[in-house]
Amino acid sequence: EAGVVQSPRYKIIEKKQPVAFWCNPISGHNTLYWYRQNLGQGPELLIRYENEEAVDDSQLPKDRFSAERLKGVDSTLKIQPAELGDSAVYLCASRGTYEQYFGPGTRLTVT
Amino acid sequence: AQSVTQPDIHITVSEGASLELRCNYSYGATPYLFWYVQSPGQGLQLLLKYFSGDTLVQGIKGFEAEFKRSQSSFNLRKPSVHWSDAAEYFCAAVTSGTYKYIFGTGTRLKVLA
Repeated sequence: EAGVVQSPRYKIIEKKQPVAFWCNPISGHNTLYWYRQNLGQGPELLIRYENEEAVDDSQLPKDRFSAERLKGVDSTLKIQPAELGDSAVYLCASRGTYEQYFGPGTRLTVT
Repeated sequence: AQSVTQPDIHITVSEGASLELRCNYSYGATPYLFWYVQSPGQGLQLLLKYFSGDTLVQGIKGFEAEFKRSQSSFNLRKPSVHWSDAAEYFCAAVTSGTYKYIFGTGTRLKVLA
């Protein structure tokens, strides 16, 4: 069974540019998470989807971040415009019974 | 407020030595508990999980964890560490019926040859 797939793995952009990350969860997993992980820290939730509905986006900076999960399968997280402080690893996870399965992450560097 | 605490930011052990990584949680009810490992440039990999029942849980890669309700702890152990175990380890918790996970800040393990 394939795991959680994310792309790209690395992205370097200049500040004020847009960037998008893509995630495909494990087949059959209805719950999808986007996390941001800063260096030396644990993952911090950005948004949680149940199927195509965003049920927890309280930590998503909505002025510049947006996300979508069309058809309740894969998802895209976008930042526009990016700021220097957005440099981090963006992790996608999907949920089994109660355990989460993580993708490899996208390392974003904003210069 | 609910929280997960990993008191040790860094731990260094010699290869072949035993290992214990600490995790404490603060929740109203006993949460479900997890340990994840993250190697450099990788996502988080599930090592083991505790939902209920036997308080000693076996995981992958020779790891085990013990749940102690009286101490609100879920410590990770390994009897003999290998150089490949060098990584960052995260403890996480979620309350039954919710799907919002709280992660500790992680413990970075260094293994000396």
